[in-house]
Amino acid sequence: RKEVEQDPGPFNVPEGATVAFNCTYSNSASQSFFWYRQDCRKEPKLLMSVYSSGNEDGRFTAQLNRASQYISLLIRDSKLSDSATYLCVVNRLDQGGKLIFGQGTELSVKP
Amino acid sequence: NAGVTQTPKFQVLKTGQSMTLQCAQDMNHNSMYWYRQDPGMGLRLIYYSASEGTTDKGEVPNGYNVSRLNKREFSLRLESAAPSQTSVYFCASSIRQGATNQPQHFGDGTRLSIL
Repeated sequence: RKEVEQDPGPFNVPEGATVAFNCTYSNSASQSFFWYRQDCRKEPKLLMSVYSSGNEDGRFTAQLNRASQYISLLIRDSKLSDSATYLCVVNRLDQGGKLIFGQGTELSVKP
Repeated sequence: NAGVTQTPKFQVLKTGQSMTLQCAQDMNHNSMYWYRQDPGMGLRLIYYSASEGTTDKGEVPNGYNVSRLNKREFSLRLESAAPSQTSVYFCASSIRQGATNQPQHFGDGTRLSIL
């Protein structure tokens, strides 16, 4: 079992739709959590950090459930420009702060 | 702001050749990393440098060496390239490894093909 697991997708949604991505992590030592976005053949870019209380950045909302070891990302009012792969990332402080990446969930927003 | 700069962006090698991938960051970050990304495998850590003067192995270090030349620069060397090392290589940096809620910032990658 992978340490960070995501639904690989692809998720194909129309513009304006709401889409949710789920991520589970297996090691309770994970301390920090992030969502990155990666466009085709480009570098991963930080989308947002995920805080225990949940946090929102415009159309994006991230949630963390430490008890269930579960992270989510909600995108409201999807835009064509949201098409990308979304990477769930956890920070293992017990391993010197190494980042562990999920394989990513691909999103395609259609007109 | 340049952020993390990688060179070259593309390279084709023959099996057995050697080469060095260069990475530099201008954000005064202490920690730097090298990853490879292969289809269906996600990002895997090759080596990292928590601070200037230190380097450590990551998940897939075999066939690679690294040098933390100074605080800004972290290079990755393939001594004898193999087809299995065909991949996209990303360099990243962060303020300090182990710091809570400190993300890594990535360069735009080196696409390496070994024939």
